[in-house]
Amino acid sequence: SQTIHQWPATLVQPVGSPLSLECTVEGTSNPNLYWYRQAAGRGLQLLFYSVGIGQISSEVPQNLSASRPQDRQFILSSKKLLLSDSGFYLCAWTQGWRLGYTFGSGTRLTVV
Amino acid sequence: ELKVEQNPLFLSMQEGKNYTIYCNYSTTSDRLYWYRQDPGKSLESLFVLLSNGAVKQEGRLMASLDTKARLSTLHITAAVHDLSATYFCAVDRSYGGSQGNLIFGKGTKLSVKP
Repeated sequence: SQTIHQWPATLVQPVGSPLSLECTVEGTSNPNLYWYRQAAGRGLQLLFYSVGIGQISSEVPQNLSASRPQDRQFILSSKKLLLSDSGFYLCAWTQGWRLGYTFGSGTRLTVV
Repeated sequence: ELKVEQNPLFLSMQEGKNYTIYCNYSTTSDRLYWYRQDPGKSLESLFVLLSNGAVKQEGRLMASLDTKARLSTLHITAAVHDLSATYFCAVDRSYGGSQGNLIFGKGTKLSVKP
């Protein structure tokens, strides 16, 4: 069966510090991968998606970036965090829209 | 630009009562998803609706899709406390395309009281 892992579960980081969140999917190959953010007042917002290794599409201009170094690995990064980067970050995957989208357990990021 | 609107945003129900949550969207799509979120937790998939007239049921929840009206409903029958959560609908923006990008409604926070 397929599983999705996200870590860390919670993170408190100072303003200006770097960020790296990781997401991996097991039990499948060539999934579409997504990063969403859920923040107070802004709802669930798609940040990045990837349909293959090295391919990243950005949805929202910001100081975040994403990378997909391996087929089932998706990384969200920042060089310098802002207060407005605080939120609940969710990774999701699908093998096709007919099968639906599965979300990871999420990372709650607080920038202080 | 695809917009997804849910109503109501807050719903307080008594146990045993029935109610419906509505999800309207602004552009053509035949791919609609319902999720549940418990406080502090991630999203749990409830229903995948992929065609006009699709109806799916799981326990006390039933979801339907009317693509012509651009409307989906989530009907709750004989509510119980365990159904208390926030419910989101999401529409696939990539209609006709190969990759799916979900646009979410703002969510309906459901509270079921004894």
